[in-house]
Formats: sequence, C-alpha cells, structure tokens
Amino acid sequence: GQNIDQPTEMTATEGAIVQINCTYQTSGFNGLFWYQQHAGEAPTFLSYNVLDGLEEKGRFSSFLSRSKGYSYLLLKELQMKDSASYLCAVIQTGANNLFFGTGTRLTVIP
Amino acid sequence: EAGVVQSPRYKIIEKKQPVAFWCNPISGHNTLYWYLQNLGQGPELLIRYENEEAVDDSQLPKDRFSAERLKGVDSTLKIQPAELGDSAVYLCASSPTRATGDEQFFGPGTRLTVL
Repeated sequence: GQNIDQPTEMTATEGAIVQINCTYQTSGFNGLFWYQQHAGEAPTFLSYNVLDGLEEKGRFSSFLSRSKGYSYLLLKELQMKDSASYLCAVIQTGANNLFFGTGTRLTVIP
Repeated sequence: EAGVVQSPRYKIIEKKQPVAFWCNPISGHNTLYWYLQNLGQGPELLIRYENEEAVDDSQLPKDRFSAERLKGVDSTLKIQPAELGDSAVYLCASSPTRATGDEQFFGPGTRLTVL
C-alpha cells in the first residue's frame, strides 16, 4: 500500500517563497510527481523526480529524498494566480498508476 | 494540439438512474486512465487502459461501474445504478505510453451530482 501526507492548507504572501512538503510511504517507489489544480479545472503537470536532488524549472522547484520518503515543491516570487491546490503523487514500480495525496490548497494573499 | 476532451462537463441525476461519461484522449496516446476525485481529495484511479485492454481495474466497483475503450481510442465510463455517494468529479487522463515518468494529461472532468 501507500500513504502520502501533505498539509491541507497553506497561506502565503504575494512575492514571497513557499515550500509545500510531501511525505510518502510506499512499496516499490518509482518516482514522484507534482501537479497543480485550480478550482474546477484539470490537474496540470509541474514536475517529476525519480532521483534524489533538486529539479528547478523557472519559479518552481521540486526536491526529492528517496531515503527519507520526502519531497517538497518550492514556489518563488509568488503570484496571485498561484492560488491553487498542489497535488503530490507517487508511482509504484511495475505500473504507471499515480497515487495522489489529498493535495495542499495554497492561498496567495496581497 | 487538442487536449483530453470529456463530456458532459456537468451531470445531475437522481439516484438509481444510469449515467455515462465520455473521454477522448490526446491523439496517439495509448494509455488512458479514469480517476474519481471527491471534494478536497486527490484523484483516485478507477481503471487504466493500454490501448483497448483494461490492464488495471482493481479499484473499479464492478457491481455498478463499467468501462470500455473500443478501438483503443475514446472511452466511456458508466454507472448503473448511481448512488448518492457517487457524486464526485470523474477525470480522464492519457499518456503516450505506460512508461514510468510519462506525464499524464488530464481532461477537465465531469462533475456528477446524484440527488
């Protein structure tokens, strides 16, 4: 089985930096995705980590530590449009099925 | 390039009625997924297709849910009869292959309300 934990809600100020954490326990880990989902819309891909370390992509970065079962998504220079839910999802070996956490609802305030 | 298309976007039915959702994946994507997403939760996989074959349907409640992907392109998910607890958003996603790390592209979903 798998267990994925994320904070339910976070609030941050426009222009600031926010870090959204995700811890997981799964058998046969084979990668971790971060998706962004605005209310009433489809999830959209942000990042994929399979090796330890930091992946940077513009204002968004994602970090993975396989030994600790831990990942975080770092959002810099926050904008109001970044208000959304951020979903952490892991892949088990042998399949391409995503197992999602409950998501973290981020609210960016002026 | 067109994204994943789903219809209808919204559906309201009374309990015990049947309902069907349609999904057209991105052209050329062999793998198709149906997810269920309850309010405030992450998506949960219902079924995964590789071309026309359902390769993982372990989470599909087979007493009332069924799915098909004829010709390995578009897919239909059916519920018969619907129950109050089926109210949720049903998401369809596709990926080019089943390779690990292949990004899944999601459609906008169908929001089902069962009264």
